[in-house]
Amino acid sequence: DVVMTQSPLSLPVTLGQPASISCRSSQSLVYSDGNTYLNWFQQRPGQSPRRLIYKISNRDSGVPDRFSGSGSGTDFTLKISRVEAEDVGVYYCMQSTHWPPWTFGQGTKVEIK
Amino acid sequence: QVQLVQSGAEVKKPGASVKVSCKASGYSFTDYYMHWMRQAPGQGLEWMGWMNPNSGGTNYAQKFQGRVTMTRDTSISTAYMELSRLTSDDTAVYYCTRDGNMDVWGQGTTVTVSS
Repeated sequence: DVVMTQSPLSLPVTLGQPASISCRSSQSLVYSDGNTYLNWFQQRPGQSPRRLIYKISNRDSGVPDRFSGSGSGTDFTLKISRVEAEDVGVYYCMQSTHWPPWTFGQGTKVEIK
Repeated sequence: QVQLVQSGAEVKKPGASVKVSCKASGYSFTDYYMHWMRQAPGQGLEWMGWMNPNSGGTNYAQKFQGRVTMTRDTSISTAYMELSRLTSDDTAVYYCTRDGNMDVWGQGTTVTVSS
């Protein structure tokens, strides 16, 4: 199984400041079709997960452009350019290249300082 | 709009079974695989398996083999996940989600296993 490792696991951020979350996979996430199936999810307190980004860097509809994804191979990053209060929650990376199973990172809790 | 609506919270005794439903709307139910995930209290997300709503074919995570059954009723665009021989470790929120890239999620169903 592909192991996804996120860091940090806790991220206190000042409002208006940037935030960055790292995600590393135990093997390359490049699929045979050339795509890299690395997604990012946001889970606000008491809510279901919501997909923010798919295939490394593509924002889902309605996702603010302060969220961006980057990376390649085994190293990926989610960045929030200026954290807002509504961004509080847990962020997960997930790979859907090598399945089954689909695997998630442990989650990174973003909170306001 | 595309939506997945799950059944309500359940409380079960150890050893019992639970069946959670997930009703799809806003898209063709048979065009997308349905995945089931769970999240124990304060924990991360765990993939349980998927079902092909068109054929009824399934693929379960090894951890749940022999205890989980995923089915569907295409006439009402609804997927089901049944988990048997429940223990306290199965206390969690269970989610259905569309497709392997999980672009749409249900609201979650809380299952509490307690004597």
